[in-house]
Amino acid sequence: EVHLLESGGGLIQPGGSLRLSCTASTFTFKNYAMSWVRQAPGKGLEWVSSIGGDGRDTYYADSVKGRFTVSRDNSKNTLYLEMNGLRGDDTAVYYCAKDQTPFNGRFDVFDIWGQGTMVTVSS
Amino acid sequence: DIQMTQSPSSLSASVGDRVTFTCRASQSVSTSLHWYQQKLGKPPKVVVYSASSLESGVPSRFSGSGSGTDFTLTISSLQPEDFATYYCQQTYSTPLTFGQGTKVEIK
Repeated sequence: EVHLLESGGGLIQPGGSLRLSCTASTFTFKNYAMSWVRQAPGKGLEWVSSIGGDGRDTYYADSVKGRFTVSRDNSKNTLYLEMNGLRGDDTAVYYCAKDQTPFNGRFDVFDIWGQGTMVTVSS
Repeated sequence: DIQMTQSPSSLSASVGDRVTFTCRASQSVSTSLHWYQQKLGKPPKVVVYSASSLESGVPSRFSGSGSGTDFTLTISSLQPEDFATYYCQQTYSTPLTFGQGTKVEIK
């Protein structure tokens, strides 16, 4: 069964940094684009960032551009989200998600999601 | 950026009802439009992808239609396990935007 497991969330002060990880299993990780989606408490889904299969193509929401960096280590089947300059409105559950089809330069439906990791930005 | 607008934001319905909700894109997304179901405290789950393709394992009472800017998700006979929030998402171009969601509640 395809599985994604996020880790690295926690309580962090405003202005701080955090790195989230998402470990994948039972699929050929390097072939698929991966994404981060967040959900603030009681709110809807917000796309954060996506990365192509080989890591060269990266995309960000305007709300995180310049502060967050997405990367992947295909040898470890792991996706990362480096978050700097954290603010209160970054407080959310962060999900990683996998594209349904192998990456060909365009993104696709997110067919597998992790359970999420909570990031709380507060002093 | 492509804005996604869902309507209604919430609806109350009874078991057995036929329910339809809509998603409108601010510009054409072709059929790169997907629907997710999310229950409280759980990650989203794909229901319909590419506007009208039913995800494997999803009951046939769910159906999607549309192309371009206007899309619908229909549940032909609402079941107790269908009470949830439904989100549309476009993957036509980045940023990959979601609608604000439609919450389906028990009447």
